[in-house]
Amino acid sequence: GAGVSQSPSNKVTEKGKDVELRCDPISGHTALYWYRQSLGQGLEFLIYFQGNSAPDKSGLPSDRFSAERTGGSVSTLTIQRTQQEDSAVYLCASSSYRGLDAGELFFGEGSRLTVL
Amino acid sequence: KQEVTQIPAALSVPEGENLVLNCSFTDSAIYNLQWFRQDPGKGLTSLLLIQSSQREQTSGRLNASLDKSSGRSTLYIAASQPGDSATYLCAVVLASNDYKLSFGAGTTVTVRA
Repeated sequence: GAGVSQSPSNKVTEKGKDVELRCDPISGHTALYWYRQSLGQGLEFLIYFQGNSAPDKSGLPSDRFSAERTGGSVSTLTIQRTQQEDSAVYLCASSSYRGLDAGELFFGEGSRLTVL
Repeated sequence: KQEVTQIPAALSVPEGENLVLNCSFTDSAIYNLQWFRQDPGKGLTSLLLIQSSQREQTSGRLNASLDKSSGRSTLYIAASQPGDSATYLCAVVLASNDYKLSFGAGTTVTVRA
């Protein structure tokens, strides 16, 4: 597709379950970002990938959160043993990181996670 | 730590009026600044990207200015329309940390028909 694609768009899970959120960036974009937007809160940086490497994981809230990226393309954000405070919209963005518009981020529609 | 502030938090104007949205940031050593639009329940749509060497960018009815030395950016929307109703967010990337966007809390705009 032409834009950043995220799935699922909505996920309702029970406390304690694991969830996986997927992001398919714009083709050719080397940089990929995960952000979290909680109700009434601003956007919170989680993790950044350059290719398959994650130079900065400092934004991940706890060790229950992990992310990987394979083939320099699709990324998966995994939340283990979900808690109610994990409920939020998880947004993925990608960037070409080169050229005149280097650094311009393009966001997906987000994955809305609700933990009951 | 970069702090980004957007004022006002909310704005309501009649259709046709020009909109002025303000963004300020504490660390002027930025790599770029980006304005986004977010509709309810949706992701973010990029509006304008201003590199640190630029002073403004224009796209249609939108114009964004950047004054690095004073740590300010302003988004102007000319001749507002009801379809412009959304939340507008600005975000900056530090030159020393050129991958992590720091977001403001946004300005929620309502354009009344």
